[in-house]
Amino acid sequence: DGGITQSPKYLFRKEGQNVTLSCEQNLNHDAMYWYRQDPGQGLRLIYYSQIVNDFQKGDIAEGYSVSREKKESFPLTVTSAQKNPTAFYLCASNDRITDTQYFGPGTRLTVL
Amino acid sequence: DQQVKQNSPSLSVQEGRISILNCDYTNSMFDYFLWYKKYPAEGPTFLISISSIKDKNEDGRFTVFLNKSAKHLSLHIVPSQPGDSAVYFCAASARTGNQFYFGTGTSLTVIP
Repeated sequence: DGGITQSPKYLFRKEGQNVTLSCEQNLNHDAMYWYRQDPGQGLRLIYYSQIVNDFQKGDIAEGYSVSREKKESFPLTVTSAQKNPTAFYLCASNDRITDTQYFGPGTRLTVL
Repeated sequence: DQQVKQNSPSLSVQEGRISILNCDYTNSMFDYFLWYKKYPAEGPTFLISISSIKDKNEDGRFTVFLNKSAKHLSLHIVPSQPGDSAVYFCAASARTGNQFYFGTGTSLTVIP
C-alpha cells in the first residue's frame, strides 16, 4: 500500500524546544517537500529536496532544518528560532512522470 | 508576493447545481496547473490537472478550464454533491522548475 506517512498526527511541545516531524514515502519519488498551512492561508513552502543529500530553502525556511539521507525519508526539524511554530505541517512527494504532488496526512504542531 | 490567487475565500452552492471555483496566476512561466481538495486536519488530495497546451480537461464531474491569455483557470463541479464540501486549492508550476505554488484556497459548501 503505497503512500506518504507523517507522524505523529498531533504533537505538543514546550516553547524553546526543538522538535522533529517525520515524513516517509514508499512511492519511489525523488522529490519531497515540506509545507506549512496557517488558518486563512495557502500552503507555504518551507524546504524541498530533489534528490538524496540535497535540499533547497523554500519561501519560509527560517527557523527550520531538514535532512535527506534516504530517498524514503525527509524529516523536518522545527527549531527554537522559529517565531511562530504552531501550525499544520504537510509533507509531499512529487511523481516526475505525471508532475503531480501527493501529500501526507499532516502533523498538527502546537507549541505551548 | 502571491503568484497564485484564489480571490473567493468561500462559496455556497445548492446540491445538484454547478460549483465554479476560480484561480488567477501572475507568472507567465507557469505551464502546469493542478486542483486539490482538502478536508480539515487532512492532507490535500489531488483532483485534476491541466497542461498549458490544453484549454480544458475533464474527469467525471470535474472540469478544469485554462485561459492562458487571462492567466486564469477555473474548476467546474457538476452536479455538486454534499461530499464535495471542502477547501479547494489551485496550484501552479513551471515544469522546468522545482516548486509548486499554491493559492490560499476556497471553502466550498454544498447545501443539501
